[in-house]
Amino acid sequence: SQTIHQWPATLVQPVGSPLSLECTVEGTSNPNLYWYRQAAGRGLQLLFYSVGIGQISSEVPQNLSASRPQDRQFILSSKKLLLSDSGFYLCAWSVLRAGDTQYFGPGTRLTVL
Amino acid sequence: GEDVEQSLFLSVREGDSSVINCTYTDSSSTYLYWYKQEPGAGLQLLTYIFSNMDMKQDQRLTVLLNKKDKHLSLRIADTQTGDSAIYFCAESRNRDDKIIFGKGTRLHILP
Repeated sequence: SQTIHQWPATLVQPVGSPLSLECTVEGTSNPNLYWYRQAAGRGLQLLFYSVGIGQISSEVPQNLSASRPQDRQFILSSKKLLLSDSGFYLCAWSVLRAGDTQYFGPGTRLTVL
Repeated sequence: GEDVEQSLFLSVREGDSSVINCTYTDSSSTYLYWYKQEPGAGLQLLTYIFSNMDMKQDQRLTVLLNKKDKHLSLRIADTQTGDSAIYFCAESRNRDDKIIFGKGTRLHILP
């Protein structure tokens, strides 16, 4: 069966510090991968999606970047965090051309102070 | 543009039915979803409906779709304390397409 992991579960970082959140998927090959953010009091916002290794599409201009160094690994990064980067970050996957939904990881709660 | 709207809060007495409503703007939406987020947890897909369906029932859950009005609802029968969570309405145009989420409705269960 497929499993999606995210870490860390919670993170508190100072403004201006770097960020690296990792997401890995097990039990499937060549998944579509997604990074979402849920800011306090707001809905989910799609940040990045990837259809394959090294292929990243950005949905909104921002302070964050994403990379996909391996088929089942998706990394969300920032060189310098802003206060507005605080939120709940969710990674998700879907099966290319076969699945009809996205499956979400447990999420990372990021607090920038 | 694509937009999904839902009320932010709903309070229901234990044992009553909960009805969470949602409206969307994209007439090309093909898949409509309901997700549940429990405190401190990730999102869980509850159910989904295709745009060519009017209703889908799954145990205590009933989804109703009015495609003409672009209105989706989730009914939870015999609401229990374990149903306390944030419920997200979402839509997508195609399989594996990006999913547009609403802001979520926080369901509070009264004793």
